[in-house]
Amino acid sequence: QKEVEQDPGPLSVPEGAIVSLNCTYSNSAFQYFMWYRQYSRKGPELLMYTYSSGNKEDGRFTAQVDKSSKYISLFIRDSQPSDSATYLCAMSSFQGAQKLVFGQGTRLTINP
Amino acid sequence: KAGVTQTPRYLIKTRGQQVTLSCSPISGHRSVSWYQQTPGQGLQFLFEYFSETQRNKGNFPGRFSGRQFSNSRSEMNVSTLELGDSALYLCASSLNMNTEAFFGQGTRLTVV
Repeated sequence: QKEVEQDPGPLSVPEGAIVSLNCTYSNSAFQYFMWYRQYSRKGPELLMYTYSSGNKEDGRFTAQVDKSSKYISLFIRDSQPSDSATYLCAMSSFQGAQKLVFGQGTRLTINP
Repeated sequence: KAGVTQTPRYLIKTRGQQVTLSCSPISGHRSVSWYQQTPGQGLQFLFEYFSETQRNKGNFPGRFSGRQFSNSRSEMNVSTLELGDSALYLCASSLNMNTEAFFGQGTRLTVV
């Protein structure tokens, strides 16, 4: 069993919809949680970086962490075609970027 | 501000050869991490360097090695290439080991 599980999709939604992306994990030592967006043939781009449980909002993006359930989510409001990409969750038991463990990524398509 | 620069972008090598990939971190960043991305295994941590010292290492064979120079630039080397080493190799830089990671575009290595 992988330490981090993420539904690979693909997920296809209409423009303007609210998108929910999720990851579950098994390692209770994880304390730092990140979401990256990766366009085709590009490197991952950091979207959200959170520590421990709680919510964090940045524009149209909201990250939620529930450590008691070992479950993290990324919500995208008012989704745009430019949001079409693969979304990767990542986590670490070390502060910062050390030894990140990634989910498989969810391929998202926003249809105009 | 320039991002993380990886060279070359694409590389084709023959089984048994060795290869060296280069990464120049964001100016001022002192920590560099390397990851391998494949369709089957996703993104996997290779190693991390800070102040020219390897601080963390993932579960890869000894054929994979790296180093960091005094200007924070990093190289990774893979010896005795195998077909399974075909992947996108990503470099990420951080201001230090306690801050979030920013990825480069990657080097796509194909072993034939």
